Amino acid sequence: DQQVKQNSPSLSVQEGRISILNCDYTNSMFDYFLWYKKYPAEGPTFLISISSIKDKNEDGRFTVFLNKSAKHLSLHIVPSQPGDSAVYFCAASGGGGSNYKLTFGKGTLLTVNP
Amino acid sequence: DGGITQSPKYLFRKEGQNVTLSCEQNLNHDAMYWYRQDPGQGLRLIYYSQIVNDFQKGDIAEGYSVSREKKESFPLTVTSAQKNPTAFYLCASSKQTGKSPLHFGNGTRLTVT
Repeated sequence: DQQVKQNSPSLSVQEGRISILNCDYTNSMFDYFLWYKKYPAEGPTFLISISSIKDKNEDGRFTVFLNKSAKHLSLHIVPSQPGDSAVYFCAASGGGGSNYKLTFGKGTLLTVNP
Repeated sequence: DGGITQSPKYLFRKEGQNVTLSCEQNLNHDAMYWYRQDPGQGLRLIYYSQIVNDFQKGDIAEGYSVSREKKESFPLTVTSAQKNPTAFYLCASSKQTGKSPLHFGNGTRLTVT
């Protein structure tokens, strides 16, 4: 039972354009959502998070949007840069168990072409 | 700089042998975690610990064991009972209070043949 789903295994965009990565969740108890970026053979790096009391959080080129009624969140990267090419994981916590346990999606490989 | 250190980066073992992966953090975080990543898969939680001398099973704890004798250290033992031990193992830590992100180490690639 996959509670966090990233339905696009990969995404390719041109440098300078917007990248939009999507994530859906099924557990209505989730109340904290995060995005991580991961390069091969390295650990994930935290990018941005959002609490369920908000619908938008912005940090520089990265913005996360949360639609609770649709159980959907998205990460927008504007403008996209070649260094943004990596696997992006969506994660959520608060699903009725430990608040400190994250459930991850399978990731989306973003490729930003020069 | 504070961070999480996992060692070694690459580890090779023969089938039937137990192996222990090291994880040390100097972030003064109370909570620590072990995740496993397989190709095309997300990160799956093996074990986590919110305080010293206490830990809980995650989603895929079978064939693994952990200890938390010190705040800074959370070693993971992959036992011979783990059916598919070859994977990329990631250790993480976080603050105990409130909502806070996990900070990850750079992982250990374990290959069992």
